[in-house]
Order: sequence, then C-alpha cells, then structure tokens
Amino acid sequence: DIVLTQSPGTLSLSPGERATLSCRASQSVSNNYLAWYQQKPGQAPRLLIYTASSRAAGIPDRFSGSGSGTDFTLTISRLEPEDFAVYYCQQHVTSFSFGQGTKLEIK
Amino acid sequence: QVQLAQSGAEVKEPGASVKVSCKASGYSFTSFNMHWVRQAPGQGLEWMGIISPSGGATTYAQKFQGRLIITTDTSTSTMYMELSSLRPEDTAVYYCAKDGDRGNFDYWGQGTLVTVSS
Repeated sequence: DIVLTQSPGTLSLSPGERATLSCRASQSVSNNYLAWYQQKPGQAPRLLIYTASSRAAGIPDRFSGSGSGTDFTLTISRLEPEDFAVYYCQQHVTSFSFGQGTKLEIK
Repeated sequence: QVQLAQSGAEVKEPGASVKVSCKASGYSFTSFNMHWVRQAPGQGLEWMGIISPSGGATTYAQKFQGRLIITTDTSTSTMYMELSSLRPEDTAVYYCAKDGDRGNFDYWGQGTLVTVSS
C-alpha cells in the first residue's frame, strides 16, 4: 500500500502570507490521482484539489495543487482567516489512503 | 444539490456490532461508487471500504476484512456500514463519502460518532 507523508506537521503563518504544504508518496502515484482536503473542527473534510492540480467546484483560486510521481504540493497564495484548518492529501492507485495531515495555524 | 445524510450517534459495548446508514440525494445513486472513512478522536482520516451501488461489489481495507460489511439499498438510495466485534479503538466519527470518479471523495456526510465503551 502507498504511504503518504505530509510535512510539516504544523505550519504557523499569518493572514496574507503564502502557505506551502507537502505530500510525499512511498511509491509513484502514477495516475496522478492525488487529492487535497480541508477539515475544520467538528466538520467533514472538504475536497479542494483532485488529480493533483484540478480545483474542485467552488474552491477559490488562491488554492492550487502541483506535483507528480511521488512529490505533491498544495499552495495557498494569500491566507485568509478561514483557511486555518487541517489539510490532508489522499491517493488512489490500487487502494485508497490519506496522509497524516498538516495543521495550518495562525501565527 | 448532492446531500449525504447519516444516521445518529451510537454507543455500543465491546464485542457488539453497529450499523450506520447514509442516505444520498441530488444525484444518480447507482452511477457513482461510495466509501466509508473514519476518524478517531484527534486523529487523521482512515479509509475503510468502497461499494459500487449498481452491482454491490465491495472492496475493504485489509485492516477491516472479516469485520466490515458495506451494503446498499438502491430503492432508497441508502448505503449501510456494519462493523462487528467492536473494540474501544473503534470509537470514531464514521463518514460516508461519494466517489468523485477521479479517485477522490467529492461529497461527504456529516459524520456519525460511534462510541465503544463498557
């Protein structure tokens, strides 16, 4: 099974700054089926990005995804107060798995 | 609009079984696979299994083989998750999610808290 490792575990930034979150896979996600989710306390996850770089419906363009193979990145260009949350990457090659999450907190 | 409405919270004793439902609306239920994902308190997301509502074919994560059964009732557009031989470490919020057809989960239910305690 593919293991996803996210870094950093916690990212402390201020509104208006740029956030860069990393997701590394133990094997190639050869089909680029790599997605990103945002989760706020007490809420279900929300799909942000799918197939590594496609934004889901209704997601602001300050969210962008990039990468291929084993290294993927979620970038939030200018942080808004509502962006502080936990972010998960997820893959589907032969099975499904999630990274352990990155907590984005206000500095 | 797509909605996934889950059944309410459950409290179970160790060794018991729990069955959680997820009623879908706003789209063609048989056209998309469905998933169960769980989240233990303060922990990350864990994929449990997938079902094709059109034919009933299932695939379960190895960790849950033999304890998990996922079914659907296409007449009511409802998916069910039954987990047996419950232990305290099964305490979690259980989410249903619709497959987005690109290996992702594009819509999620509100979650159902299952507490396993004696």
